[in-house]
Amino acid sequence: QVQLVQSGAEVKKPGASVKVSCKASAYTFTTSDINWVRQATGQGLEWMGWMNPNSGYSGYAQKFRGRVTMTRNTSISTAYMELSSLRSEDTAVYYCARGVHDNWNYPSFDYWGQGTLVTVSS
Amino acid sequence: QSVLTQPPSASGTPGQRVTISCSGSSSNIGSTSVNWYQQLPGTAPKLLIYSNNQRPSGVPDRFSGSKSGTSASLAISGLQSEDEADYYCASWDDSLIGVVFGGGTKLTVL
Repeated sequence: QVQLVQSGAEVKKPGASVKVSCKASAYTFTTSDINWVRQATGQGLEWMGWMNPNSGYSGYAQKFRGRVTMTRNTSISTAYMELSSLRSEDTAVYYCARGVHDNWNYPSFDYWGQGTLVTVSS
Repeated sequence: QSVLTQPPSASGTPGQRVTISCSGSSSNIGSTSVNWYQQLPGTAPKLLIYSNNQRPSGVPDRFSGSKSGTSASLAISGLQSEDEADYYCASWDDSLIGVVFGGGTKLTVL
């Protein structure tokens, strides 16, 4: 069955960067976008951006442009999300999710990783 | 402040039918598709409804979605205790060029 397995929890200091990985299995990695969504404790879901693993092209939510970079290594079917200049407000669970497109090319997220807790604290 | 607006809470008794609303605008729900996600406590979200009213394989037909103009609704019939979860609507936004989520609705089964 399709699985997305994420890297473990991270603790970072303000101003540092974090890189979260998301390893895909049981499907052809390059055929579906990978999206990143975060959720602060007790809060709602927030979309950060997407990446096309085939081309490497990515698109980011305006809030994160300049601070987030989404990349991939197709040889190991793994996507990465790096967030820089961390601040306390970035403390959240970060999810990767596979994107699929409907007949009108609008995305939904059919498989999700288990989530990675990133804590930003001095 | 979420782009899509959902009621923060909803409730019902076992067997009842409940609906959760999601309000947007012409740049998102009004012109694109709506998806719904269910998040059980301590777990990752799960796709419940896509493309306004389509159920992924394995999702019971107790769950249904609809869209009218700039609003959408999720209906759950024959409410069960295991339906107690947070529900999120989501849509592509043509102006923001990205996916937007509602703030989430916490469903309590009384």
